[in-house]
Amino acid sequence: EPEVTQTPSHQVTQMGQEVILRCVPISNHLYFYWYRQILGQKVEFLVSFYNNEISEKSEIFDDQFSVERPDGSNFTLKIRSTKLEDSAMYFCASSGGQDNEKLFFGSGTQLSVL
Amino acid sequence: GDSVTQMEGPVTLSEEAFLTINCTYTATGYPSLFWYVQYPGEGLQLLLKATKADDKGSNKGFEATYRKETTSFHLEKGSVQVSDSAVYFCAPRSGNTPLVFGKGTRLSVIA
Repeated sequence: EPEVTQTPSHQVTQMGQEVILRCVPISNHLYFYWYRQILGQKVEFLVSFYNNEISEKSEIFDDQFSVERPDGSNFTLKIRSTKLEDSAMYFCASSGGQDNEKLFFGSGTQLSVL
Repeated sequence: GDSVTQMEGPVTLSEEAFLTINCTYTATGYPSLFWYVQYPGEGLQLLLKATKADDKGSNKGFEATYRKETTSFHLEKGSVQVSDSAVYFCAPRSGNTPLVFGKGTRLSVIA
C-alpha cells in the first residue's frame, strides 16, 4: 500500500529556533493535513491544504506556523520560533484518489523543544 | 463543530476476550464515522468506517455500527489477539471538514 513519509522521525531543538518538518504525501493525493499530539492528549487538527492554499486551520495554527508545498512532492510545516509547548508528535496526512474520505497518515515526527 | 468522547483507557484484556470500546459523537448534520488505529511506532491508519445510519463498518474482525439515535459508534471484536494491541481513535467527519479525534483508547492484549 502507498505510504506517507515523514522526516525526521525525531527532532530536538532549542526554544526560539525555527524547525521545518517534512512530509511526502501519496503521489496522486490532493488534500494534505497536519495534526499533532501532545503526550497523553488527543490528536489535534492543525491545518488542511488543497490546491496550493490553506483550506482550513485550527486556532492552534497561529502566525508561528506555516505550510508550504515547495515542489510536486513535499509538504512542509514550519514553526518559526518554537516554544516549549510545541513539543509533540506531528503527523502529516493526505487524502484523494478514489476514496477521498480516507486519510493516510505518516509515522510522525517527535518534536522536542528544550 | 464535531466532537467525540471515547472511553478512557488503558484497556487490558486477555487473548480471545471480547472487546468493546465506546464512542459517542456530536456533529452537525449526518457525519461519516471512522475508527482509526495506531500500532506502536506507526502513524494512524483507517480501521473501518460507516457513512450513514445503521451502516456497519467491519475490518480485521472489528465491527462498529452507526447508531444515529444514540449518536454512538462503538467498536467491538469477538476475540482479540496480542497483535491488536494499539491505540484506537474514533472520529466523526462532516462533509469536507477535518477529522476530529479524541484522546484514543489504548488496548493491551496479553497472552
